[in-house]
Amino acid sequence: RKEVEQDPGPFNVPEGATVAFNCTYSNSASQSFFWYRQDCRKEPKLLMSVYSSGNEDGRFTAQLNRASQYISLLIRDSKLSDSATYLCVVNGRITALIFGKGTTLSVSS
Amino acid sequence: DAGVIQSPRHEVTEMGQEVTLRCKPISGHDYLFWYRQTMMRGLELLIYFNNNVPIDDSGMPEDRFSAKMPNASFSTLKIQPSEPRDSAVYFCASSFLNTGNTIYFGEGSWLTVV
Repeated sequence: RKEVEQDPGPFNVPEGATVAFNCTYSNSASQSFFWYRQDCRKEPKLLMSVYSSGNEDGRFTAQLNRASQYISLLIRDSKLSDSATYLCVVNGRITALIFGKGTTLSVSS
Repeated sequence: DAGVIQSPRHEVTEMGQEVTLRCKPISGHDYLFWYRQTMMRGLELLIYFNNNVPIDDSGMPEDRFSAKMPNASFSTLKIQPSEPRDSAVYFCASSFLNTGNTIYFGEGSWLTVV
């Protein structure tokens, strides 16, 4: 089993749609969880951290299920500017951040 | 504030040549990471340093790859000899305090080996 697994997509949605991405991780000792965003030919940048109780940042909601080792990202009211690759990221107690291969989102008008 | 600075941004080299990639982390950050990204394998961690000391190099593909961090503000990743399969984007990143914190990436070094 890969350390971090994501559905690669692509997800093609119209503007205004709600879209959800899922991610599973294999290391039960993982303590930190993030979603990063990567635009085409750019470096990854932090989108949001993921907390145990779930958290929101505007149109973005992240959820963590430790029992199932599952992380999700929900994007409401999609914008054209949300088109990017979304990377699920976890770490273990002593390991550095491990990145999923990413889920590609394309929002069209 | 300056972010992570990498050089060169782009390099095209012939198979068998030595390649040296350079990185300046964010000032005050005590962790430095080297990642490689390809379409097939995604972002892979190659090696990371804490306070200039290599902590985990298990991701370094083979002996052709080496990394150094002679001081807190500079690191190199060297490939010798380079091969076409080394073609990728190499990202340097840094963070503060521990490996569970947010890491900040440089813009990457785009390497093509022909």
